[in-house]
Amino acid sequence: DAGVIQSPRHEVTEMGQEVTLRCKPISGHNSLFWYRQTMMRGLELLIYFNNNVPIDDSGMPEDRFSAKMPNASFSTLKIQPSEPRDSAVYFCASSSAGVGLNEQFFGPGTRLTVL
Amino acid sequence: QKEVEQNSGPLSVPEGAIASLNCTYSDRGSQSFFWYRQYSGKSPELIMFIYSNGDKEDGRFTAQLNKASQYVSLLIRDSQPSDSATYLCAFRGGFKTIFGAGTRLFVKA
Repeated sequence: DAGVIQSPRHEVTEMGQEVTLRCKPISGHNSLFWYRQTMMRGLELLIYFNNNVPIDDSGMPEDRFSAKMPNASFSTLKIQPSEPRDSAVYFCASSSAGVGLNEQFFGPGTRLTVL
Repeated sequence: QKEVEQNSGPLSVPEGAIASLNCTYSDRGSQSFFWYRQYSGKSPELIMFIYSNGDKEDGRFTAQLNKASQYVSLLIRDSQPSDSATYLCAFRGGFKTIFGAGTRLFVKA
């Protein structure tokens, strides 16, 4: 299995531009998570999906952020318009939901820099 | 109060020593606890999980859980320079996994 795939790996953009981050979870996993990591705030959960349905988006910082999961093998996180304070590493993770252990497998991350 | 508390470090230990990483959590209903390791510039990876009180050993790693005290720890025996990384404590709350900010560990050769 290729693991969780994220693209792009690096993104540099200017303030005000739209940014779209993409994620392909591990085949067969039915939970998907978007995280943001910065030195100041650590690893923050932005939103998670179960069976393609958003379950909790309370971590999404503002209306500028939106996420979709149109099918079991693809998700996007969009920032419009982007701001310099959005600069961070964005991770996507997937797992098999259910009671008990559900190890999350992380993608390599997208390092976003907003100038 | 943060849901997961960890000392940010850095924790510095000499090669061959035991590294002890500690974590407290706020949700008494939590059942599953995890330790993730994150190398600089890389993504977190799971190294240990535990859901019963007591100790769980896996090679050089031992996880310890005390639900009454809401405390979980990770011991790394015979620490190696390759263990130098940030260690994230996490627990499962419902569908979500809640992560601590991590403790940076530096093992000196």
